[in-house]
Amino acid sequence: GAGVSQSPSNKVTEKGKDVELRCDPISGHTALYWYRQSLGQGLEFLIYFQGNSAPDKSGLPSDRFSAERTGGSVSTLTIQRTQQEDSAVYLCASSSPGRRSYEQYFGPGTRLTVT
Amino acid sequence: RKEVEQDPGPFNVPEGATVAFNCTYSNSASQSFFWYRQDCRKEPKLLMSVYSSGNEDGRFTAQLNRASQYISLLIRDSKLSDSATYLCVVNPTGANNLFFGTGTRLTVIP
Repeated sequence: GAGVSQSPSNKVTEKGKDVELRCDPISGHTALYWYRQSLGQGLEFLIYFQGNSAPDKSGLPSDRFSAERTGGSVSTLTIQRTQQEDSAVYLCASSSPGRRSYEQYFGPGTRLTVT
Repeated sequence: RKEVEQDPGPFNVPEGATVAFNCTYSNSASQSFFWYRQDCRKEPKLLMSVYSSGNEDGRFTAQLNRASQYISLLIRDSKLSDSATYLCVVNPTGANNLFFGTGTRLTVIP
C-alpha cells in the first residue's frame, strides 16, 4: 500500500521567509510525528499528533515552528521567518494504533535549505 | 547525557563477515527498542523491534540487556546491500516519541 508521502521533496528559501511542509500519513495511522535531521546528526523530535488529542509540542525548537493536522490525516509543518540553522531534512512518520504503535514509518523527507 | 548513544563507526567489513553494533540508553524505564536502517539521503526504515528475550530475523539478531541498558545488533554473513547507517532507537515509558541514536555507519566491502 501507499507509504507516508511528503512534499515538497526539496525546498530552498531565503532567510526570513516562511515555509510550509506537508505530510500525508499512511491511511489508518492515527499517530503522526515530525522530526528533523541535520547533517551528521540524529533525528530530533519536533511534534506528535495522536487522533483528536492535543498535540505534544515539546520538541519544537522555537515559536517560529508550528504544525497542524487537519481531519486527523494530513499535517502541515510551518516555519516562520526561517533562519539558516533551520536547514535540515524534515521527516514525517506515522504509526498505527494498537500493539505496534511505536513502530514508526517514515516519509522520504523534505530537504530544506535556507540561504 | 544523551538518551541513546552509539559508536558512529565507520565499520568497514568484508563480505561474509559478522559484525555487531551496540548502543546504550539512559532511561532505565524504557520499554520499546528498535533498530532502524537509513541509506544515504533516504528516510529511516524499521529493521526490527528488539524484544526482551532477544529476537532473530534471518541474518539479523537483536538483543537487549536491561541490567546494563544496552541493545545490540548482530549481522551475520554481511552482504554488500547491508551497507547503510544503523540507528538504535528507544521509546522511554511515557514518551510519545522515539529517541534516535546518531547511527553507526557500516560499509561492506567486496
